[in-house]
Amino acid sequence: DIQMTQSPSSLSASVGDRVTITCRASQGISNYLAWYQQKPGKVPELLISDASTLQSGVPSRFSGSGSGTDFTLTISSLQPEDVATYYCQKYNSAPLTFGQGTKVEIK
Amino acid sequence: QVQLVQSGAEVKKPGASVKVSCKASGYTFTSYGISWVRQAPGQGLEWMGWISTYNGNTNYAQKLQGRVTMTTDTSTSTAYMELRSLRSDDTAYYYCARGGQQLAFWGQGTLVTVSS
Repeated sequence: DIQMTQSPSSLSASVGDRVTITCRASQGISNYLAWYQQKPGKVPELLISDASTLQSGVPSRFSGSGSGTDFTLTISSLQPEDVATYYCQKYNSAPLTFGQGTKVEIK
Repeated sequence: QVQLVQSGAEVKKPGASVKVSCKASGYTFTSYGISWVRQAPGQGLEWMGWISTYNGNTNYAQKLQGRVTMTTDTSTSTAYMELRSLRSDDTAYYYCARGGQQLAFWGQGTLVTVSS
């Protein structure tokens, strides 16, 4: 099975900072990658699909890029409401494996 | 609007079984499969499997093969996930989500606690 590895596992940044999270697949998955945001105590929400397609209603400070094995999620200007854990997920084929998550906090 | 409403919290003893339901509304049930994802306390997301609501085909995570069964009732637009031979490490929130690729709509989650 293809493994999904996120880095870092956690980060602390200041409001307004640019934040980048990476996700690496152990084999190529084309652009079949999604990013989810899970705020504390809440249900995960889909932010980005197809590696770079922002879902409706998601603030434009979020963006995704990559293809093949290496992907990034970028928050261009971190806001307090972005405190959450972020997960990547591959969906080129089953199993739909998630990365281990990246916890984002405000410094 | 699309909604997935799950059944309530469960407490089970080790070795027992649990069946969680997920009632869909706001869309044509048989147009999208249902995935199940679980999350142990303080841990990450784990994909459990997927069922086609069109023909009942399933695809289960290898580690759960033999213990999990996913079914649907198209007459009530409800999906079910049954997990058997429960262990303490099955304690988790169990989520249903619409689709078998990117998961845009999720249920509210069902906490299953396994404790003697």
